[in-house]
Amino acid sequence: EAGVTQFPSHSVIEKGQTVTLRCDPISGHDNLYWYRRVMGKEIKFLLHFVKESKQDESGMPNNRFLAERTGGTYSTLKVQPAELEDSGVYFCASSQEFQGFGYTFGSGTRLTVV
Amino acid sequence: AQSVSQHNHHVILSEAASLELGCNYSYGGTVNLFWYVQYPGQHLQLLLKYFSGDPLVKGIKGFEAEFIKSKFSFNLRKPSVQWSDTAEYFCAVNAKSGYSTLTFGKGTMLLVSP
Repeated sequence: EAGVTQFPSHSVIEKGQTVTLRCDPISGHDNLYWYRRVMGKEIKFLLHFVKESKQDESGMPNNRFLAERTGGTYSTLKVQPAELEDSGVYFCASSQEFQGFGYTFGSGTRLTVV
Repeated sequence: AQSVSQHNHHVILSEAASLELGCNYSYGGTVNLFWYVQYPGQHLQLLLKYFSGDPLVKGIKGFEAEFIKSKFSFNLRKPSVQWSDTAEYFCAVNAKSGYSTLTFGKGTMLLVSP
């Protein structure tokens, strides 16, 4: 089966610009997660979708981040306007189980804000 | 709140050396424990997991981990590393009961020299 696909793999943008990251989960996985790793820090949870609904968005850093999951399929994470501290690697994962025991991660999008 | 501490940020070994990566967690309840690996340019992959039962867990590629409840530890081991084990290793936990997302450690970068 195809894995979790993320694109772009790399993005370099200027401070103040907008960037949209995309994640295509494994087909049939209702649960989709976004995580982020800032340089030198832990991978941290951002939010969790169950189908098209946000189950938990407690990890979203601020209102410059907007996540959507149209029709319960792919998801986008928009950062607008981007700040320097938003730089990092954004991981997406999907699972069939609600608690995510069977996470499958994508390769991540490396975002650099300059 | 859960937290995970990985003892070493960088480890350098020669091929055939033994490996032990430390992981301690902090949480008041029972947990599920995971080790993930990210090889250069690839996605995060599950190396092994512990849910219950035998505290010595065997994973892929000859890795194993031992859950010591009294020490809140879940150290990763491999008797003889190979150059292909060069990667970043992440310990993670989530709470066993109710809804819980993964909490990761900061990761350990392992470099194996041929």
